[in-house]
Amino acid sequence: GENVEQHPSTLSVQEGDSAVIKCTYSDSASNYFPWYKQELGKRPQLIIDIRSNVGEKKDQRIAVTLNKTAKHFSLHITETQPEDSAVYFCAASETSGTYKYIFGTGTRLKVLA
Amino acid sequence: KAGVTQTPRYLIKTRGQQVTLSCSPISGHRSVSWYQQTPGQGLQFLFEYFSETQRNKGNFPGRFSGRQFSNSRSEMNVSTLELGDSALYLCASSLDWGRETQYFGPGTRLLVL
Repeated sequence: GENVEQHPSTLSVQEGDSAVIKCTYSDSASNYFPWYKQELGKRPQLIIDIRSNVGEKKDQRIAVTLNKTAKHFSLHITETQPEDSAVYFCAASETSGTYKYIFGTGTRLKVLA
Repeated sequence: KAGVTQTPRYLIKTRGQQVTLSCSPISGHRSVSWYQQTPGQGLQFLFEYFSETQRNKGNFPGRFSGRQFSNSRSEMNVSTLELGDSALYLCASSLDWGRETQYFGPGTRLLVL
């Protein structure tokens, strides 16, 4: 079946440094790629998303890039802050008319003060 | 506008019992999806409902079922509980079927003893 691979599973960075999380998907027809942030004990929150007709999208310190040819997309967080510490999930839409999302297994980001 | 709500928030059951979880979507949202979240498996898609009809189903056994009511509220049921069913069950609502942005509820944490 379709799957989404996410790397790394854990990531520690110093406050102020950048963090990059990468995902690879298998369904070449996937056309929507959201990223969710889940803080400890809280619900996943959508932080940014990108569609297949766009190569890059930015929102303040967060950016997402998409390479459709290679079937991978990445989340970039610049000037990291302690409140960025959380688990981040990527997802890709499965587009056989069913609009199902396949999620990556998550990346635990720790920002060290 | 109130967010997605789920009840109960915590639940303890024993093997063999059954359980019903409830999800109330954001007002005006007609699509509800259910996910199982476990530490090792991330977010696994269970099913999606729209207009009281199941539109999509993940790879879970028939012990997992759901339904949606005319007011878009949804319930999921797990019969004959197994230890491996212990997880956080999240629902997410979106405006319409095929509308990508999903908003998650806080989840129901189920512990099966």
